Amino acid sequence: GEDVEQSLFLSVREGDSSVINCTYTDSSSTYLYWYKQEPGAGLQLLTYIFSNMDMKQDQRLTVLLNKKDKHLSLRIADTQTGDSAIYFCAEIGDSSYKLIFGSGTRLLVRP
Amino acid sequence: EPEVTQTPSHQVTQMGQEVILRCVPISNHLYFYWYRQILGQKVEFLVSFYNNEISEKSEIFDDQFSVERPDGSNFTLKIRSTKLEDSAMYFCASSGQGRNLGQFFGPGTRLTVL
Repeated sequence: GEDVEQSLFLSVREGDSSVINCTYTDSSSTYLYWYKQEPGAGLQLLTYIFSNMDMKQDQRLTVLLNKKDKHLSLRIADTQTGDSAIYFCAEIGDSSYKLIFGSGTRLLVRP
Repeated sequence: EPEVTQTPSHQVTQMGQEVILRCVPISNHLYFYWYRQILGQKVEFLVSFYNNEISEKSEIFDDQFSVERPDGSNFTLKIRSTKLEDSAMYFCASSGQGRNLGQFFGPGTRLTVL
């Protein structure tokens, strides 16, 4: 079945770039998403990418998609302490309504 | 900015009791969803709802679960006879006409079954 995998933890220094990686198995994935979850809060949609794109940039966020390897990454430039959160990768398959989530990557930004 | 709201934020119930979790999706959205996250596990899809009917459901969404849009603004998830393993954070989400452009999530309801 469909599966999405992420590394569990990433620690970076404030001001550095963060790169969070994700792999997925569903070859019919049409859209891929990044969500952010801060403590006690819901899932905030950060950005998405359509599967026929290989890059999308939105301010400090850059999403890279390698469809051949089924690999997605989120780069956060100039990481700030306010970026500390759990980041979830998710995908949706063709004609489906359900998001398939990864287990989330906890990003810790050190001052 | 419009947002999805959920009530209550925390619900404690006894095993076997019925619970209703409530959500108010973003007002012009057309697609509605419930997900849950058991502590330490992935966020799992339960059900999607469009045009007053279920459009997709997971294996988790058995006869104990039901959804309803009782009026133009609320979207509810009912669990008829709760089990210990139903303890989880339940998230409601909604999306607009371009449903693949993103599902917008509420803050969640933490359900504790004793």
